[in-house]
Amino acid sequence: DAGITQSPRHKVTETGTPVTLRCHQTENHRYMYWYRQDPGHGLRLIHYSYGVKDTDKGEVSDGYSVSRSKTEDFLLTLESATSSQTSVYFCAISESQGAGGYTFGSGTRLTVV
Amino acid sequence: GQQLNQSPQSMFIQEGEDVSMNCTSSSIFNTWLWYKQDPGEGPVLLIALYKAGELTSNGRLTAQFGITRKDSFLNISASIPSDVGIYFCAAHNTDKLIFGTGTRLQVFP
Repeated sequence: DAGITQSPRHKVTETGTPVTLRCHQTENHRYMYWYRQDPGHGLRLIHYSYGVKDTDKGEVSDGYSVSRSKTEDFLLTLESATSSQTSVYFCAISESQGAGGYTFGSGTRLTVV
Repeated sequence: GQQLNQSPQSMFIQEGEDVSMNCTSSSIFNTWLWYKQDPGEGPVLLIALYKAGELTSNGRLTAQFGITRKDSFLNISASIPSDVGIYFCAAHNTDKLIFGTGTRLQVFP
């Protein structure tokens, strides 16, 4: 199995609080991605990274920020969580820009109350 | 933006039946992939297709890269209970993957 872990696996937080989700990989892959999965919407890209300190926005980036200070770690931060950010969040990694597919983590289920 | 239209949205079938699902787009892609997501887990790559017209099998799964490069198909033969899950198509554009909205498969004994 590819070495990609997400933490925490589950989190409940209150509206207005900051939340940080972590993605850690041991594959030394250059590209890392954050998706959210919601019923009826499939997988939607939030942010992605193409190297240390190099990140870009995806299709649903509002309310989220990311950081990548090391190759192995990609952090997703909700600056002030809202109920609309209740979702399952997946991190993915790839060696190239996706032609060989992505490897996904097991997800973080976030509930904002 | 580019979109993948995946159908059907859900399927309820009996064990032993064959399953077909497809993914279409108005855009041309050079790579099509199919993923399966088990409940509570992340999607896992099943099959990758790199050439128009290509037909590739992985056990009971067979996928095809459409000749127009705008679609792809996944077939599952003789379904079993562990086939339950969500199946996603994905296509590669210049710098990342685009995902379909998924087909939820339920298999009844």
